[in-house]
Amino acid sequence: GAVVSQHPSWVICKSGTSVKIECRSLDFQATTMFWYRQFPKQSLMLMATSNEGSKATYEQGVEKDKFLINHASLTLSTLTVTSAHPEDSSFYICSARDVVQGDQETQYFGPGTRLLVL
Amino acid sequence: GQNIDQPTEMTATEGAIVQINCTYQTSGFNGLFWYQQHAGEAPTFLSYNVLDGLEEKGRFSSFLSRSKGYSYLLLKELQMKDSASYLCAVMDSNYQLIWGAGTKLIIKP
Repeated sequence: GAVVSQHPSWVICKSGTSVKIECRSLDFQATTMFWYRQFPKQSLMLMATSNEGSKATYEQGVEKDKFLINHASLTLSTLTVTSAHPEDSSFYICSARDVVQGDQETQYFGPGTRLLVL
Repeated sequence: GQNIDQPTEMTATEGAIVQINCTYQTSGFNGLFWYQQHAGEAPTFLSYNVLDGLEEKGRFSSFLSRSKGYSYLLLKELQMKDSASYLCAVMDSNYQLIWGAGTKLIIKP
């Protein structure tokens, strides 16, 4: 099946620094990618929808200036956490939408990136 | 390699019971998750199993056998709103989530 990768897997950084997380669709092109946060044993919280070649759509309550999303190609979306603070520590998961045979679509999830801000 | 297998699609009748199986082969094991995802929405957390056995939560139950690399999600008294995709995910030794492709569950009246 389709594969979505994320890099890095783990990030430990100091408060105030910026961290970039990459999400790649390895064997398909994804015009749409999604970024989620997950707290332990909780549902994935959608942060934003990333569309190739256009601005991301952010969910209510998510600061677009703090969580910068760039979807520069059909296989890569990046999430940059700017001026990270300890409360930004979380598990960030991306997913990519694969559309086949017209309108049949499947969403594939990445393995996640664990961010710890000290 | 790491692998999660679950059926692509299942069909069941309203009011009935359905069992969605998930088998896994991963490098290490730090728990297995089940999520429900309705079309166009984010996955919602259903269950987390890290020890063998059955965990019951209302109409939903989840079972785990670590020795067999096997889990199932049991849905009772099916309702039309249970029509969704059900995702199985295993957290490996690096605390990375390995995702199954999801099982699309179709409920018929």
